[in-house]
Amino acid sequence: DIQMTQSPSTLSASVGDRVTITCRASQSITGWLAWYQQKPGRAPRVLIYQASNLQSGVPSRFSGSGSGTEFTLTISSLQPDDFATYYCQHYRAFGQGTKVEI
Amino acid sequence: QLQLVESGGGVVQPGGSLRLSCAASGFTFSNSVMHWVRQAPGKGLEWVAFIRFDGSNKYYGDSVKGRFIISRDNSKNTLYLQMNSLRPDDTAVYYCAKDPTGVAPHWHFDPWGQGTLVTVSS
Repeated sequence: DIQMTQSPSTLSASVGDRVTITCRASQSITGWLAWYQQKPGRAPRVLIYQASNLQSGVPSRFSGSGSGTEFTLTISSLQPDDFATYYCQHYRAFGQGTKVEI
Repeated sequence: QLQLVESGGGVVQPGGSLRLSCAASGFTFSNSVMHWVRQAPGKGLEWVAFIRFDGSNKYYGDSVKGRFIISRDNSKNTLYLQMNSLRPDDTAVYYCAKDPTGVAPHWHFDPWGQGTLVTVSS
């Protein structure tokens, strides 16, 4: 089975920072890579699908890129509402999550 | 708008059974692949199962295979998860989620329900 590994596990940042989260697959994968945001006590929300497609309604400061085994989620200018945990997903495998904190 | 509402969670003893439901509205449920995903307290997300639009194919994660059964009633716009032989490590919030396709999943989920908590404990 393919394993998805995110880095870092925790990220400390400030409002206005550019933030990048990396997701590495244990072997080369197709572009079926999604990114989710989850806030405490809430269901996850999809941000990016098929590696780089922005889900409808998601702010344009979020972007996704990558291919092969390495993918990234970038937040161009961190906003107060963006402090949350982020997960990548390829097929049935989720990464372990990256917590973005102040 | 698209909405999913889970119900049926609760406290159950090890070895017991529970059936979760997920009521869908705001979209054509009968055209959609549907998934169950769970999250143990303080942990990450774990995919549990999916079912094709017509119920003809069902797939399960290794940790629940042989114990859980996913099903759907398209006439009631409702998804189900029958959980048998429950273990303490099945304790989690269980979410239902919609896939954008009906046959072969595209493996990104939107929307998700609010989740229902299942606690397996004696």
